[in-house]
Amino acid sequence: AQTVTQSQPEMSVQEAETVTLSCTYDTSESNYYLFWYKQPPSRQMILVIRQEAYKQQNATENRFSVNFQKAAKSFSLKISDSQLGDTAMYFCAFMKPNTGNQFYFGTGTSLTVIP
Amino acid sequence: DTGVSQDPRHKITKRGQNVTFRCDPISEHNRLYWYRQTLGQGPEFLTYFQNEAQLEKSRLLSDRFSAERPKGSFSTLEIQRTEQGDSAMYLCASSFVLGKGDGYTFGSGTRLTVV
Repeated sequence: AQTVTQSQPEMSVQEAETVTLSCTYDTSESNYYLFWYKQPPSRQMILVIRQEAYKQQNATENRFSVNFQKAAKSFSLKISDSQLGDTAMYFCAFMKPNTGNQFYFGTGTSLTVIP
Repeated sequence: DTGVSQDPRHKITKRGQNVTFRCDPISEHNRLYWYRQTLGQGPEFLTYFQNEAQLEKSRLLSDRFSAERPKGSFSTLEIQRTEQGDSAMYLCASSFVLGKGDGYTFGSGTRLTVV
């Protein structure tokens, strides 16, 4: 079974500063995908960034980047130049391909950007 | 196409009553997923459909839960004899079969409160 652990229930960051959210996972698979999803209050889950396990290069999407350490089974999200709109719950998720493509989610980190 | 739609957004019901939720996926997507999200937790997989076939059900999906996707279009999730422990956000998502996770689209969810 796959498990995803997010050890930071809540975090806050000053606007324009950088924050890193942590995620670790446990799997015996060698090929998989990792994701960070953002869930604003009362709104739908939105994909922030995606990483394929066979790619060594860390994924980046504008202000969002990841630090993927496959051996350590670690997948942290760095948000640079934090904006008020980044305030949301962030979920780390694991997906094993070629099956039902179901997600295994962590418990989430609530991020508040302070003006 | 405006994305994945879920109806109703909120549902309050008395314990023991039956409830039914509806999900309208993105029309081109042939996979449809149901997840349950309780307070303080990440979404947990319940079941998924490929077209009209229900291909996998989680152990979380007790006998009181049933899901359908007639004609491979919209889906319904019914909970019979609701219990207080069923109180949660029920999320629907859709994707392509061969998607690598980045084509997953979530709905805004149906929040169920059992009193």
